Amino acid sequence: QQPVQSPQAVILREGEDAVINCSSSKALYSVHWYRQKHGEAPVFLMILLKGGEQKGHDKISASFNEKKQQSSLYLTASQLSYSGTYFCGTGVNFGNEKLTFGTGTRLTIIP
Amino acid sequence: ETGVTQSPTHLIKTRGQQVTLRCSSQSGHNTVSWYQQALGQGPQFIFQYYREEENGRGNFPPRFSGLQFPNYSSELNVNALELDDSALYLCASSLLGTGTQYFGPGTRLTVL
Repeated sequence: QQPVQSPQAVILREGEDAVINCSSSKALYSVHWYRQKHGEAPVFLMILLKGGEQKGHDKISASFNEKKQQSSLYLTASQLSYSGTYFCGTGVNFGNEKLTFGTGTRLTIIP
Repeated sequence: ETGVTQSPTHLIKTRGQQVTLRCSSQSGHNTVSWYQQALGQGPQFIFQYYREEENGRGNFPPRFSGLQFPNYSSELNVNALELDDSALYLCASSLLGTGTQYFGPGTRLTVL
């Protein structure tokens, strides 16, 4: 089954924070986060592995709760460049990643 | 820039025709995965190739087939095209075991 993302869409002003959630009904080994701008390929943001780790770079970070099979992506002090559709992709096996993607969260940042 | 390239960028075909899409993986990567992305949807896994063999397949019919070459580049072939095959086709390159996949720019296929 496809992971469920929430919210489906969100509009923020520049500088505000956002949280995007990804929930799966399957036991997960990994969660992969991507951002896709209109007409472009998905761009890799980060991968979280089983173990409940939290990762981040710059103002974008993420967590993975393997007990709940949930991951959250945190965007702080959002910038205009953060606009796009965010997808989580889930993997169930180590090293053999055939990702199942959610339906996406459309994030719009306005000045 | 991920270093993953795909050709062609756009393609228009008619129902029943056959199409071949191509992907060159990033240097150092040995695995290519193909995804289909319909408008407004997330990418859907088609299949993965590792060491020139299929290494897993999603819920797609046999008319979707692929190849991987010794230089790790790959092809996706679709026979007997249907209208619903219209989509963005993405390939993703990775080094098996690392988990991280990097997407190419995609091929937009329109079936009329």
